[in-house]
Amino acid sequence: KAGVTQTPRYLIKTRGQQVTLSCSPISGHRSVSWYQQTPGQGLQFLFEYFSETQRNKGNFPGRFSGRQFSNSRSEMNVSTLELGDSALYLCASSNTRARGEQYFGPGTRLTVT
Amino acid sequence: AQKVTQAQTEISVVEKEDVTLDCVYETRDTTYYLFWYKQPPSGELVFLIRRNSFDEQNEISGRYSWNFQKSTSSFNFTITASQVVDSAVYFCALSEAVRRDDKIIFGKGTRLHILP
Repeated sequence: KAGVTQTPRYLIKTRGQQVTLSCSPISGHRSVSWYQQTPGQGLQFLFEYFSETQRNKGNFPGRFSGRQFSNSRSEMNVSTLELGDSALYLCASSNTRARGEQYFGPGTRLTVT
Repeated sequence: AQKVTQAQTEISVVEKEDVTLDCVYETRDTTYYLFWYKQPPSGELVFLIRRNSFDEQNEISGRYSWNFQKSTSSFNFTITASQVVDSAVYFCALSEAVRRDDKIIFGKGTRLHILP
């Protein structure tokens, strides 16, 4: 079974731009979660989608948004990028029958200059 | 509120030594799940174990073992006879079972260096 894939793996953007990151979950997994990882704040929950619905959202500004498609693939978007948005963005998928057991993708390393 | 504390920011041990990573959690719920994840230098988090709050039995998987103690709200992870490949950041995490979503709260992680 293929794992979670994320594209792109690396991205460099400038302040003020917007970015879209993509995540394809493991086949059969309907839940997709997004996390931001920085050296200072660690792993922080962004949001979770299940069957195209956002079930929960972390404490991030409205510039961070996401969506999920009918095939469970998910995208997250960050508008008006700030330097502090530089981070590793991780996507995880799970089979809801295995509560909380999430499988992570390799992440997208976003650098904002 | 739920919280996971990993007091050890960084640990270095010599190969073949045993090492224990500490994890203390806070939750108001009686039903919850605890996890350990490993993040090697490649960056991809790897699921290691899930334990639900009703199962306090310790678990052993090869060189890895986990000690869950509800009385002290701890879920510690021990690596026996450590190897250089064990070098990684290890995260302890918590999920409350009453939640409809799949949100997991992670600790800050412990960076483990295994020295050859």
